[in-house]
Amino acid sequence: EDKVVQSPLSLVVHEGDTVTLNCSYEVTNFRSLLWYKQEKKAPTFLFMLTSSGIEKKSGRLSSILDKKELFSILNITATQTGDSAVYLCAVTGGADGLTFGKGTHLIIQP
Amino acid sequence: EAQVTQNPRYLITVTGKKLTVTCSQNMNHEYMSWYRQDPGLGLRQIYYSMNVEVTDKGDVPEGYKVSRKEKRNFPLILESPSPNQTSLYFCASSWAGRMGDTQYFGPGTRLTVL
Repeated sequence: EDKVVQSPLSLVVHEGDTVTLNCSYEVTNFRSLLWYKQEKKAPTFLFMLTSSGIEKKSGRLSSILDKKELFSILNITATQTGDSAVYLCAVTGGADGLTFGKGTHLIIQP
Repeated sequence: EAQVTQNPRYLITVTGKKLTVTCSQNMNHEYMSWYRQDPGLGLRQIYYSMNVEVTDKGDVPEGYKVSRKEKRNFPLILESPSPNQTSLYFCASSWAGRMGDTQYFGPGTRLTVL
């Protein structure tokens, strides 16, 4: 059974801090890993990672995948209160579906 | 505007009364999927569809049915809803789920079964 584990489950930091969110996975026939941001509505797409060691970057957010150690990290630098959200990690693998982790609830305090 | 729409957005119903949540996308996506989101359990896939007339079970299909008669629509049917199906439901679509393509999510349907 495919499995995605995110850590920490919850994180509170101050504005301006840098945070690292973790996602580890066990999946047969791994195809891709995706990161989503969910505020009080539907998840919105952040990154899709398929190759090890290649960093994807969008503004203050970046992510990298390690297919050997089966994990990914999502970094957010110079955090802002608007970064407060639940960050979801998901993988596609053996079946054609998508398996999500439980998410990391990030709170940025002013 | 490219989007995934769901209806209704909120629904309160009683045990055993059949209901359908509609999902429609205007992006000509082949892949569509239904998820439920529950506190502490995250997003779990219910059913997905790779294309018209092709549907497959996800992780939690019990108590649900789907159909894919047209490419743009993927309704979720609860024949006899029960209180444990109280949840937040999301529909999503993408070009081809097999490649892990970006999934676009609908706004969600909050269902309460009394």
